[in-house]
Amino acid sequence: EVHLLESGGDLVQPGGSLRLSCAASGFTFSTYPMSWVRQAPGKGLEWVSAISGSGDITYYTDSVKGRFTIFRDNSKSTLYLQMSSLRAEDTATYYCAKDGSIEKTFASWGQGTLVTVSS
Amino acid sequence: EIVLTQAPGTLSLSAGERATLSCRASQSVSSSLAWFQQKPGQAPRLLIYAASSRATGIPDRFSGSGSGTDFTLTITRLEPEDFAVYYCQYYGPTLNTFGQGTKLEIK
Repeated sequence: EVHLLESGGDLVQPGGSLRLSCAASGFTFSTYPMSWVRQAPGKGLEWVSAISGSGDITYYTDSVKGRFTIFRDNSKSTLYLQMSSLRAEDTATYYCAKDGSIEKTFASWGQGTLVTVSS
Repeated sequence: EIVLTQAPGTLSLSAGERATLSCRASQSVSSSLAWFQQKPGQAPRLLIYAASSRATGIPDRFSGSGSGTDFTLTITRLEPEDFAVYYCQYYGPTLNTFGQGTKLEIK
């Protein structure tokens, strides 16, 4: 069974940095693209970033380009999101999501970790 | 940039009724369209991918249709557990986009 467990969410001041982690189990981690999706309180879903299975190809939504970095450690079956220059509008629950082998979209999700950017 | 517009914003129905949710894309997305269900305090759950294929474990009262720019999620015979927020999503080669969501509430 696929299991994704996010961690690292916290209260951080504007301009600060934070690193989120997503520990994966139940599947061959290096085989699958992974993504981060966020949801501001009371708002809809927003895709943030994606990374290929090998980690050599990455994609970002425009609002986080240059501030966020997605990377993975396949030896540890862990996905990361390094966030810097954080803004109030980055406040959200951040989910990691796994592509399905057939579905080619977010077939499995973690439970999310809350990032709050506030002074 | 592809924009997905969902309608209606809120849909009020009773258990046992049929729900029809719409998702319109600003340009053709072929069949790269998915539907997710989200309940309060929970992560989203994939219902439909490739516009019309049900994900594993999804009851057959959920069905998706459409291609190009106009898509529909239909839920026949609503069950109490179906009242939730539904999102459509375009999944492309380099980016993903979600619609703003439709809240399906009990009338």
